[in-house]
Amino acid sequence: GAVVSQHPSRVICKSGTSVKIECRSLDFQATTMFWYRQFPKQSLMLMATSNEGSKATYEQGVEKDKFLINHASLTLSTLTVTSAHPEDSSFYICSARDPGTRNSPLHFGNGTRLTVT
Amino acid sequence: DQQVKQNSPSLSVQEGRISILNCDYTNSMFDYFLWYKKYPAEGPTFLISISSIKDKNEDGRFTVFLNKSAKHLSLHIVPSQPGDSAVYFCAASARGGATNKLIFGTGTLLAVQP
Repeated sequence: GAVVSQHPSRVICKSGTSVKIECRSLDFQATTMFWYRQFPKQSLMLMATSNEGSKATYEQGVEKDKFLINHASLTLSTLTVTSAHPEDSSFYICSARDPGTRNSPLHFGNGTRLTVT
Repeated sequence: DQQVKQNSPSLSVQEGRISILNCDYTNSMFDYFLWYKKYPAEGPTFLISISSIKDKNEDGRFTVFLNKSAKHLSLHIVPSQPGDSAVYFCAASARGGATNKLIFGTGTLLAVQP
């Protein structure tokens, strides 16, 4: 079945540094990937839609200059948290849908726990 | 504005009994609904979905019911097993939308007691 792989699973960084998170579709090509964020005991909030070969679409309230998204190939999207601050600490999850499978649901990676100290 | 709501943050059920998780939505454009199961520090895992042209979809122990007039859906798990203990999220999308993005509810923590 479709698998989405996310790396790293956990990262700790110092305030002011940048962190890159990778999301890969392992056995299908995804022209669109979605980045979500989950704060403790809260829902998954959509941050942005990553589009292969074009600019990402950001949800209202999400700073595009802070959360840089690059979807350079049909199997890889990256999210870079720039100049991270402690309030950026969260659980980031990417997802993608297999366009080759009818009615394919959204498949999620295992998430990245970001802690900014 | 929470378009998808799960009003019960937690639910405790005895093993072997039925678990019923509820979800309400406000956006009448939603026409595709899904349930996901999530363990801590992991991504959500797809369970079951339903299109708005149906009112019921069943897959093994899992059944999803949709009441469009009430903008309400529910997930029934029977019989419940201890391994079902997790957070359950309902999600909705308007498939006619350009990106088919999913909007998630706030989740319900299900605890199945042995």
